[in-house]
Amino acid sequence: QSGLTQPASVSGSPGQSITISCTGTSSDVGRYNLVSWYQQYPGKAPKLMIYKGSKRPSGVSDRFSGSQSGNTASLTISGLQAEDEADYYCCSYAGIRTYVLGTGTKVTVL
Amino acid sequence: QVTLRESGPALVKPTQTLTLTCTFSGFSLSTGGVCVSWFRQPPGMALEWLARIDWDDDKYYSTSLKTSLTISKDTSKNQVVLRVANMGPVDTATYYCARTMAEADGAYFDYWGQGILVTVSS
Repeated sequence: QSGLTQPASVSGSPGQSITISCTGTSSDVGRYNLVSWYQQYPGKAPKLMIYKGSKRPSGVSDRFSGSQSGNTASLTISGLQAEDEADYYCCSYAGIRTYVLGTGTKVTVL
Repeated sequence: QVTLRESGPALVKPTQTLTLTCTFSGFSLSTGGVCVSWFRQPPGMALEWLARIDWDDDKYYSTSLKTSLTISKDTSKNQVVLRVANMGPVDTATYYCARTMAEADGAYFDYWGQGILVTVSS
């Protein structure tokens, strides 16, 4: 099963908003509407940023928000800060008792 | 405070079976809705989900790796073990375990271990 499609890189200036897309199919993202998003710094473990499509865990900045339309989920980072520079991955339940992750997006703060 | 830590060999030879242990604290794997999953990430590449074991011992496996993976738990020791058979160079990766919360309307991975780099080489 191939990964969910994410742009390889997204960049923005401090203070701007950026959106990372995560495109799947009607068998995963489009069917279950339960995408989660993870932030990963180089050499570090992933960190949960968004779950069940749009919920934020305690301690995650409200600058991070999630949404979904059809087979595409999105992560928006508003008020971009230097500390947001990291890799981001989406994840969806794919049915048949499996999960599928995205290809990953490197966010660069200009 | 929830913590997870992966342990196992840093180096394995081709064709060997890799055994990794995830030792956790701060939660119980006998609580309904609580699970543990394994992931891996080859150097410079994307994350890949491997397997999940639930509080009731239900098990989920990656379709592409199903025949090579075995996941098990020892609730009394707060440990989850992943075995990967017939290791090859493509299995060189950092392996992570993560607490998985399985709720009626979805599952997510909320706490992660620091990861362990496993290299396959003769």
